[in-house]
Amino acid sequence: DAGVIQSPRHEVTEMGQEVTLRCKPISGHDYLFWYRQTMMRGLELLIYFNNNVPIDDSGMPEDRFSAKMPNASFSTLKIQPSEPRDSAVYFCASSSQGANEKLFFGSGTQLSVL
Amino acid sequence: QKEVEQDPGPLSVPEGAIVSLNCTYSNSAFQYFMWYRQYSRKGPELLMYTYSSGNKEDGRFTAQVDKSSKYISLFIRDSQPSDSATYLCAMYLIAGGTSYGKLTFGQGTILTVHP
Repeated sequence: DAGVIQSPRHEVTEMGQEVTLRCKPISGHDYLFWYRQTMMRGLELLIYFNNNVPIDDSGMPEDRFSAKMPNASFSTLKIQPSEPRDSAVYFCASSSQGANEKLFFGSGTQLSVL
Repeated sequence: QKEVEQDPGPLSVPEGAIVSLNCTYSNSAFQYFMWYRQYSRKGPELLMYTYSSGNKEDGRFTAQVDKSSKYISLFIRDSQPSDSATYLCAMYLIAGGTSYGKLTFGQGTILTVHP
């Protein structure tokens, strides 16, 4: 298996633009997590899904952020409109039995909002 | 106050040194404890995973949990330049018999092992 695949690797956009980040989890994994990492706040959970259903989105900073998982092999995280304070590395991770089992992280998307 | 506190460092040691990395936490409901290692421009990867208090050893790595003090440690013996990375502690919450499917991470400690 190729592991968790995220795209794009880097995204540079201007304030106000829509940004869509994509993730393909490891096949057979039932849990999918979106994290954001910054120097100031570290690694923060934004939202997680179980069997394609959002379970906890309490970490989503505000209504500008939305996430979907239309099927077991694809998820998106959308920011609309984007702001400079959204600049961070966004990670997708998947696991077979939730967070108490090993999480497999993708390589992340480095987002810069100018 | 953050639920999990971790000194961000940076920590710089010579090759062969013993490294001690630590985290404290405030919520006694945390029961699963993990250490993730993150190389530059990569996602974190699980290094050690323990459930109970005490020590767990895996090669040069030892994870230690003290639930009474709400304190966990990761020791690296005979450190190597390839150990240079950011080390993140992580904890999993269980309360009232219900499991919560999310980890709480520490800030991460940046470690450099120089030859």
